[in-house]
Amino acid sequence: EAQVTQNPRYLITVTGKKLTVTCSQNMNHEYMSWYRQDPGLGLRQIYYSMNVEVTDKGDVPEGYKVSRKEKRNFPLILESPSPNQTSLYFCASSRLAGGVASYNEQFFGPGTRLTVL
Amino acid sequence: TQLLEQSPQFLSIQEGENLTVYCNSSSVFSSLQWYRQEPGEGPVLLVTVVTGGEVKKLKRLTFQFGDARKDSSLHITAAQPGDTGLYLCAGATTGTASKLTFGTGTRLQVTL
Repeated sequence: EAQVTQNPRYLITVTGKKLTVTCSQNMNHEYMSWYRQDPGLGLRQIYYSMNVEVTDKGDVPEGYKVSRKEKRNFPLILESPSPNQTSLYFCASSRLAGGVASYNEQFFGPGTRLTVL
Repeated sequence: TQLLEQSPQFLSIQEGENLTVYCNSSSVFSSLQWYRQEPGEGPVLLVTVVTGGEVKKLKRLTFQFGDARKDSSLHITAAQPGDTGLYLCAGATTGTASKLTFGTGTRLQVTL
């Protein structure tokens, strides 16, 4: 079954304790992204990756790191979490479609609800 | 950063009613997508529109991309309880297909 998996699904942690949220996809997609979803603010892109070893900042990258050492995995790292990073996080994978008018159709994981105390 | 505004933010209707959700921006998008998200799950892609004026139908859902490619609408005919969820539009600009800007969403509840 084609899917994007994230772990853990739920995490409660304390300020400053480093954590990693894993993301894996089995569709051989080139593109992967991380988003956070907050009430009233919608989905905002944190980082994205266009292929192995190629990553770039999204709209809200501060406080986060990513790596793309393998095509299927795209972990999100919070080196020193703070309460304002409490949020619902989604990983997504995609590949370009549409030919000349290319577009990117995202497949989302189930989400990770993170609480930083 | 491009902004996508969705309206209404909340919509509660009865089964069988029709509704329209709007997605507006001052920016031009090369493509625009609609997703539906159910509680506890990630968004699921419904449709992608790429041509100004384009209309796509998915059963009881009709999607339209504005002529100027700055806005889009989603019309649901004869809504059913299974249509309940958060509807999100997302746009990409030319040359940045991997970078999507999402709207804030429209939360739809359809009751019996």
